Amino acid sequence: DSGVTQTPKHLITATGQRVTLRCSPRSGDLSVYWYQQSLDQGLQFLIQYYNGEERAKGNILERFSAQQFPDLHSELNLSSLELGDSALYFCASSGGLTSYNEQFFGPGTRLTVL
Amino acid sequence: QQQVKQSPQSLIVQKGGISIINCAYENTAFDYFPWYQQFPGKGPALLIAIRPDVSEKKEGRFTISFNKSAKQFSLHIMDSQPGDSATYFCAAPGNAGNMLTFGGGTRLMVKP
Repeated sequence: DSGVTQTPKHLITATGQRVTLRCSPRSGDLSVYWYQQSLDQGLQFLIQYYNGEERAKGNILERFSAQQFPDLHSELNLSSLELGDSALYFCASSGGLTSYNEQFFGPGTRLTVL
Repeated sequence: QQQVKQSPQSLIVQKGGISIINCAYENTAFDYFPWYQQFPGKGPALLIAIRPDVSEKKEGRFTISFNKSAKQFSLHIMDSQPGDSATYFCAAPGNAGNMLTFGGGTRLMVKP
């Protein structure tokens, strides 16, 4: 158990809908990262937050947004869902900002868009 | 965005054998290279990591070998066990924040 929690574990929804994925980092970790894992694209970085502020953006679609709250939990919002958004979404957390910081992954949310 | 190329895509090894997975990266400025292990239905778990100031790091049956001049690093699993059957990902720092760029993954199967 990495100490990172994600809810829900599974999510099935229809095209055009909006969903929210939730992540709680390990106790004491200030950075939260969101990654998407799909069969054809592998593990792709989406976005990082550090202590409530956006730190880095990857290949995140404009239909997707995220935020980190004062209690450090984070939410990833996916809107106008398309079939191609079906994937595993992972949250990871780390303690600080140096490149040596180990990232610990949560169990993921499996999103299925029908 | 930095690319990390991982090979092979799949690997079958007999129990007790050595599993070797290779990764190549592009940017010599980066300084942290982790390996993750992922079982079906689970999130990636940090297995072992190396910094480029050393050429090798060993933790139990897992060893990372690092070749800075060739911009390559590899994972060696000694005495491979069926319980090691999983997908392994190498990673390197990306170009923004503290993100990681992952290799494409290697699906390892260890036959009993």
